[in-house]
Amino acid sequence: AIRMTQSPSSFSASTGDRVTITCRASQGISSYLAWYQQKPGKAPKLLIYAASTLQSGVPSRFSGSGSGTDFTLTISCLQSEDFATYYCQQYYSYPPAFGQGTKVEIK
Amino acid sequence: EVQLVESGGGLVQPGGSLRLSCAASGFTFSSYWMSWVRQAPGKGLEWVANIKQDGSEKYYVDSVKGRFTISRDNAKNSLYLQMNSLRAEDTAVYYCARDWTIYFPANWGQGTLVTVSS
Repeated sequence: AIRMTQSPSSFSASTGDRVTITCRASQGISSYLAWYQQKPGKAPKLLIYAASTLQSGVPSRFSGSGSGTDFTLTISCLQSEDFATYYCQQYYSYPPAFGQGTKVEIK
Repeated sequence: EVQLVESGGGLVQPGGSLRLSCAASGFTFSSYWMSWVRQAPGKGLEWVANIKQDGSEKYYVDSVKGRFTISRDNAKNSLYLQMNSLRAEDTAVYYCARDWTIYFPANWGQGTLVTVSS
């Protein structure tokens, strides 16, 4: 099974900061990677798929990059509504796997 | 607008059974793979199972094989998860999801909480 490892697990940041979250797959997954945002008590929301394609309606401050085993999610200018937990997920092969999550907190 | 509404969660004793349902609307249900994904309290996301458009293929995470059964009724636009021999570690919010492609749950319901406890 492919394992997905995110880093960091959590961090604090300020509104306006540029933040980057990384996700590493234990083996190559081409570009079969998605990023989700989850707020407390809510369902995950799709942000990016195919590693770098922005889901419709998602602000352009979110971007994704990478292929193979190493991926990044970048928020160019953190807004108050972006404080949440972010998950990567590979859909390259069975079983689909999520990273452990990265919690972005207010500094 | 895609809508997925889960129901059927609740408190059940270890070893018991529960059947979750997901009512889908706003899209052609029979054209999509569908999945169940769960999240234990305070933990991350775990994919549980998925089912092909016509129900001919089903896949499960190892930890639920032989205990959970995913099914669908395309005439009723509904997805189901029959959960038997429940364990404490099955306690989680269970989300129904529409897959854009196999193993890619892109649209999610609001979830239903299953608590396994005596």
